[in-house]
Amino acid sequence: SQQGEEDPQALSIQEGENATMNCSYKTSINNLQWYRQNSGRGLVHLILIRSNEREKHSGRLRVTLDTSKKSSSLLITASRAADTASYFCATDGWETSGSRLTFGEGTQLTVNP
Amino acid sequence: DAGVTQSPTHLIKTRGQHVTLRCSPISGHKSVSWYQQVLGQGPQFIFQYYEKEERGRGNFPDRFSARQFPNYSSELNVNALLLGDSALYLCASSLGRQWLGETQYFGPGTRLLVL
Repeated sequence: SQQGEEDPQALSIQEGENATMNCSYKTSINNLQWYRQNSGRGLVHLILIRSNEREKHSGRLRVTLDTSKKSSSLLITASRAADTASYFCATDGWETSGSRLTFGEGTQLTVNP
Repeated sequence: DAGVTQSPTHLIKTRGQHVTLRCSPISGHKSVSWYQQVLGQGPQFIFQYYEKEERGRGNFPDRFSARQFPNYSSELNVNALLLGDSALYLCASSLGRQWLGETQYFGPGTRLLVL
């Protein structure tokens, strides 16, 4: 079963606008990661945020984590057509062994030129 | 350095057949995980191997099995294929030095179609 739920399921914006995607999860986590997937290909790791962190930046990406609300958000600023992809959040927690990641259903982002 | 590689890229099988998918991790990575991604959904964890031992198994039937070789490459085997096994199979590798909180690096996947 899916741990996370992304919101919205689909998002369409114009180039240059900001895109915000949200992720909610159900159980306690150790870390939360965001991945990008282009056209059903492999997943590209974007950013990892640990449970004791509240915000993290990487280039045009900004991730926040609110463990009290069991939610995270991914903000992509000044979007480009090349950002068009599916975005997934993935969690790992103390209850699961190894490096098992539990993914959400994903947000399909379309950036129109 | 080469990333995670998977073979084959595409595969077509018929129901009841057997399939073997292969994965080579990033050099120096000792942990390999397998995920199944059905169209329109997020990936689902199948197995994790570390130092040739199974370290985790997801909610998949016994028709699914895997192994890791001394060079840390891995195979995923699926027996008695069902139509519902049609999916993108993703392999991910990581250093394996930390059990939790590691970035996992994914390969391009093997797209399996079962007819």
